[in-house]
Amino acid sequence: IQMTQSPSSLSASVGDRVTITCRPSQSIRTYLNWYQQKPGKAPKLLIYAASSLQSGVPSRFSGTGSGTDFTLTISSLQPEDFATYYCQQSYSPRWTFGQGTKVEI
Amino acid sequence: EVQLVESGGGLVKPGESLRLSCAASGFTFSSYSMNWVRQAPGKGLEWVSSVSSTSTYIYYTQSVKGRFTISRDNAKNSLYLQMNSLRAEDTAVYYCARDFQTYDTSGLDYWGQGTLVTVSS
Repeated sequence: IQMTQSPSSLSASVGDRVTITCRPSQSIRTYLNWYQQKPGKAPKLLIYAASSLQSGVPSRFSGTGSGTDFTLTISSLQPEDFATYYCQQSYSPRWTFGQGTKVEI
Repeated sequence: EVQLVESGGGLVKPGESLRLSCAASGFTFSSYSMNWVRQAPGKGLEWVSSVSSTSTYIYYTQSVKGRFTISRDNAKNSLYLQMNSLRAEDTAVYYCARDFQTYDTSGLDYWGQGTLVTVSS
């Protein structure tokens, strides 16, 4: 299953609302996770099952979608949110990630 | 505290082999599926392989099938990745990650710090 994220990068300011889209090549129901990665660090799980917030993740992060159309939203961008975000499907046994979306200042 | 610590990375020549290890602590290792995910320099994340809690189910991404072997030792709380016939395109940081799997979903909730594998002549 191919995962296509858009945009590949975006520039935003602190306080902005940011939306990232992920589209799988086939329906994956809600088997969709979102991760955040900062340079030199391991990825961190933000959202699982398309819309469930991982424990400890700020509520400004939210996820929606099902089937072939998913969205990660950051309601008010904070300085620590500048990072690269990846979607990942767990519908098929062979998982795949999107190519990533870099959120820059 | 959940901890995953990878080791075994290094510089090898094309065609050579390497074995990665991941030492787990802070949780009941034998109850979780485990995964390897890699990231080539400056590139995105690529899922490599997974093994179920009792090693019943094992999966690989197509590009490593037949060359890499994932395994685990639940008595030693350890995950392994045997990598043979290494290629330049296998150069990456390799992460060990836990699958939190519930009855209706799964994902990677804990990750190690990664170990760098460089394949170059």
